[in-house]
Amino acid sequence: GENVEQHPSTLSVQEGDSAVIKCTYSDSASNYFPWYKQELGKRPQLIIDIRSNVGEKKDQRIAVTLNKTAKHFSLHITETQPEDSAVYFCAASPNAGGTSYGKLTFGQGTILTVHP
Amino acid sequence: DGGITQSPKYLFRKEGQNVTLSCEQNLNHDAMYWYRQDPGQGLRLIYYSQIVNDFQKGDIAEGYSVSREKKESFPLTVTSAQKNPTAFYLCASSNRGGRETQYFGPGTRLLVL
Repeated sequence: GENVEQHPSTLSVQEGDSAVIKCTYSDSASNYFPWYKQELGKRPQLIIDIRSNVGEKKDQRIAVTLNKTAKHFSLHITETQPEDSAVYFCAASPNAGGTSYGKLTFGQGTILTVHP
Repeated sequence: DGGITQSPKYLFRKEGQNVTLSCEQNLNHDAMYWYRQDPGQGLRLIYYSQIVNDFQKGDIAEGYSVSREKKESFPLTVTSAQKNPTAFYLCASSNRGGRETQYFGPGTRLLVL
């Protein structure tokens, strides 16, 4: 099955700096890659996602890049703010038929701390 | 994701007891999922269901059971066979048989007495 590795496990930056979180996946059939943000004690919330037919996607200060050949994808947050502090999870899902459809495999999470 | 509710918010289980966690969605989503979250381990899939009356085991199904009798409901039972049930349990749903984004409920924190 799919295996997703996420790095780093913790990331500390100063306000205004950029933050980058990287994930690698093992299943070449995966073609959907969402990123979730989870604040302490709250539910994960989708912040951006990318499908394998594109290499990059941006939404204001957040961007995701995908390298299908190398099987890795990254989250980029620019001009970080203290409210960006949270746990970030990457995930991967195959576009296979049958029972594998829609099954997300998550990375272990990155604790991002943005210092004012 | 405001259309997914989970209850209770906190649940306490005694030794040998089965407990059931509720998950309801009014988003008309086809697929529903149950995840377990432990510190430092991310989210792990317990069970998922792409359509009513059908469900599949995830990566850590042992000690858990589910049913999907209605499209909007996907309850999870933590049985006495689950020896380490203390965790944060998250339910999610998505449209189009799981081809679309998964949205999460607020979670249930299960503690063992």
